[in-house]
Amino acid sequence: GENVEQHPSTLSVQEGDSAVIKCTYSDSASNYFPWYKQELGKRPQLIIDIRSNVGEKKDQRIAVTLNKTAKHFSLHITETQPEDSAVYFCAASNRRGNKLVFGAGTILRVKS
Amino acid sequence: NAGVTQTPKFQVLKTGQSMTLQCAQDMNHEYMSWYRQDPGMGLRLIHYSVGAGITDQGEVPNGYNVSRSTTEDFPLRLLSAAPSQTSVYFCASSYIWAGNTEAFFGQGTRLTVV
Repeated sequence: GENVEQHPSTLSVQEGDSAVIKCTYSDSASNYFPWYKQELGKRPQLIIDIRSNVGEKKDQRIAVTLNKTAKHFSLHITETQPEDSAVYFCAASNRRGNKLVFGAGTILRVKS
Repeated sequence: NAGVTQTPKFQVLKTGQSMTLQCAQDMNHEYMSWYRQDPGMGLRLIHYSVGAGITDQGEVPNGYNVSRSTTEDFPLRLLSAAPSQTSVYFCASSYIWAGNTEAFFGQGTRLTVV
């Protein structure tokens, strides 16, 4: 089945700097790659997603890139702010599209 | 619009007890799922359903049962609680499939088994 690895497990950046979180997946047939943000004590919420027919997608300070050949995708956050501090999860759909497999998560701390 | 509602928010069980975690959604989503969240392990899929009357196993189904009698409800049953089931449980729903649409999560249930 699908396996998703996520790095780093923790990331500390200064306010205003950029943050990059990387994920790799195993199933070459996966075609949907969402990113979720989970603030402390709250539920995960979708922040951006990308499908396999697109190489890059941007939404204000957040962007996601996908390299299908290498089977990896990344989340880029520019001009980080303290409110970006949270746990971020990447995920990939399995071959049939009936399951989402999540990475282990990255704790992002933005220091002001 | 309530979205996905889980009850209870907190629960303490003794080893061997059984209980049901409730999940309801009001978005008419066909797909519903249960995840458990443990430190350093992300969200792991327990069971899922693609519609009323249809359920299937995820990555970690042992010790849990589900049923889907209506589109709205997807309860998770712990048959005989074990300390290894101490976790935060999230229910989620999606419009059709997990593989191409946003998953909406409930607020979570923090379960402790002593």
